[in-house]
Amino acid sequence: DAGITQSPRHKVTETGTPVTLRCHQTENHRYMYWYRQDPGHGLRLIHYSYGVKDTDKGEVSDGYSVSRSKTEDFLLTLESATSSQTSVYFCAISEVLMPNTQYFGPGTRLTVL
Amino acid sequence: AQTVTQSQPEMSVQEAETVTLSCTYDTSENNYYLFWYKQPPSRQMILVIRQEAYKQQNATENRFSVNFQKAAKSFSLKISDSQLGDTAMYFCAFMKHAQGGSEKLVFGKGTKLTVNP
Repeated sequence: DAGITQSPRHKVTETGTPVTLRCHQTENHRYMYWYRQDPGHGLRLIHYSYGVKDTDKGEVSDGYSVSRSKTEDFLLTLESATSSQTSVYFCAISEVLMPNTQYFGPGTRLTVL
Repeated sequence: AQTVTQSQPEMSVQEAETVTLSCTYDTSENNYYLFWYKQPPSRQMILVIRQEAYKQQNATENRFSVNFQKAAKSFSLKISDSQLGDTAMYFCAFMKHAQGGSEKLVFGKGTKLTVNP
């Protein structure tokens, strides 16, 4: 158990509304990631963070922003949700002693109507 | 860019038997890592096994083992003595080595494994 929680676990929202998903970790991991999972695509990286206030884009970052103001929290924001952002969102961390291995949170199912 | 291919969308196996899931990948990197993740109906992504490309010895974790063929860019997962709890989606994933840091995971599309009683 890598001590990762995600909130909310489920959310239904309407097109055009802002949405923020939260990833919280309790073990001071440096690296945190946001992935989305869609049928037929596996998981794809949206954004990642390598420290407080240090973030970078992944392969599917359009329409998403992130923030990390403290080590334990990594926020993913959809500024104006679209139906194409309906997905399951996973947060992941990698540990200091094994930075090349990632562990995942429980996921958030987001539905945009 | 790296790609990961899982050619078996679905597989089934009888309880207590052995099953092998296939994975191939494409990369020009020489130093990298390969993973198998399990996703049961609960949706949780669970790390099953990890292989460093520089290690010739195949990784094993209890009933799970891999056949890593670097030259062929093949990374198959063998599950021995299959159990009902092994029913899940299995994802093969690739990560290139990053000195002192971390890289993104590149996933295949998954294989749905069903273990039948």
